[in-house]
Amino acid sequence: QVRLVQSGAEVKKPGASVKVSCRTSGYIFTSYHINWVRQAAGQGLEWMGWIDPDSGNSGYGQKFQGRVTLTTDTSISTAYMELSSLKSDDTAVYFCARGGAIFGDYWGQGALVTVSS
Amino acid sequence: QSVLTQPPSVSEAPRQRVSISCSGNSSNIGNNAVNWFQQLPGRAPKLLIYYSNVLPSGVSDRFSGSKSGTSASLAINGLQPEDEADYYCAAWDDSLNGYVFGTGTKVTVL
Repeated sequence: QVRLVQSGAEVKKPGASVKVSCRTSGYIFTSYHINWVRQAAGQGLEWMGWIDPDSGNSGYGQKFQGRVTLTTDTSISTAYMELSSLKSDDTAVYFCARGGAIFGDYWGQGALVTVSS
Repeated sequence: QSVLTQPPSVSEAPRQRVSISCSGNSSNIGNNAVNWFQQLPGRAPKLLIYYSNVLPSGVSDRFSGSKSGTSASLAINGLQPEDEADYYCAAWDDSLNGYVFGTGTKVTVL
């Protein structure tokens, strides 16, 4: 079955960077995009960007341009989201979600990133 | 910030019907398909509807979706206690060149 398993919770200081992984299984990794979505506590969903593991092409939400980097390692069917220059309002749960023809048909369990001094 | 507008909350008795609206513009809903997601507390979102009105395998047929112009709707028939959750619409936005989500709607079963 299709599974997306994310790395664990992280605590970072303001100004630092965080890298969250999303390990996939149960499907051909290069046949689907990976999207990243975040959700602050008690807030709605916010789309961050997408990456095509086959071509390496990616796109980012305007709010995150220049601060987020999406990458993949096709040898281990894993996607990564790195967010730099962290601020307190980056504290959120970060989700990976499969995409391409159908956006969000499978999701990771989420990874809590806490930014605190 | 969310680009698609949803009512903050809806509530109804068990076995009744509720409808959730999602309002956008010509750059998103007006020109692209809408997906709907259900999010239970503390859980990842789950896809309920894609391509505006298609149910994924395994999703109850009590859920249905529709789209007209720059708005979309999700209907839940025969409301059940386990339907209590937050619901989000989403669509690709051609102007922003990315996905946009709705503001989210909390469904309460009375």
